[in-house]
Amino acid sequence: SQQGEEDPQALSIQEGENATMNCSYKTSINNLQWYRQNSGRGLVHLILIRSNEREKHSGRLRVTLDTSKKSSSLLITASRAADTASYFCATDAGSNYKLTFGKGTLLTVNP
Amino acid sequence: SQTIHQWPATLVQPVGSPLSLECTVEGTSNPNLYWYRQAAGRGLQLLFYSVGIGQISSEVPQNLSASRPQDRQFILSSKKLLLSDSGFYLCAWSVGQGTYEQYFGPGTRLTVT
Repeated sequence: SQQGEEDPQALSIQEGENATMNCSYKTSINNLQWYRQNSGRGLVHLILIRSNEREKHSGRLRVTLDTSKKSSSLLITASRAADTASYFCATDAGSNYKLTFGKGTLLTVNP
Repeated sequence: SQTIHQWPATLVQPVGSPLSLECTVEGTSNPNLYWYRQAAGRGLQLLFYSVGIGQISSEVPQNLSASRPQDRQFILSSKKLLLSDSGFYLCAWSVGQGTYEQYFGPGTRLTVT
């Protein structure tokens, strides 16, 4: 079964609105990462949050991590049509090298 | 700066034919290298990873194999393709001992007919 599961599976919003995606995982982690994938392209790393961090910001992105609930959220503020993509969380499940990816949230931002 | 290349970009192969996908990384030394497969509408499945030349770890038993003949070259192969091998194949690299950021190539779309 997947270590990370994103929720919702799909999200459609209007330009300018905020988008929130959630990720739940099952086992202890060293860090949790979020990636973005435009249709038919490779993944792009967005942000990494370590297990001892609770919140991290990068531009319009805000990631939170709650290790007691084994969950994370990705907030994109003031969304743009160019933010339309699939977003994946990835966890290491305590591994040294491997990441396990969820199935992703498909975000559509309508102009 | 570091770059990662994958080729070919798209491939259509008949069932039973061989496969060779290549991935090369430029601008870094001793990277960790990864092969993933992504089925339509699904997440990424880790197939193989390598932390050094000749060191391959297999995650999913199947008719695929991987090799790392040079420090920055990673090859995914099959002797006989199955229909279920169709998918989007992604190569990625990272550095260091630990689960740090991974950097992905553009991918290869494989269709087995």
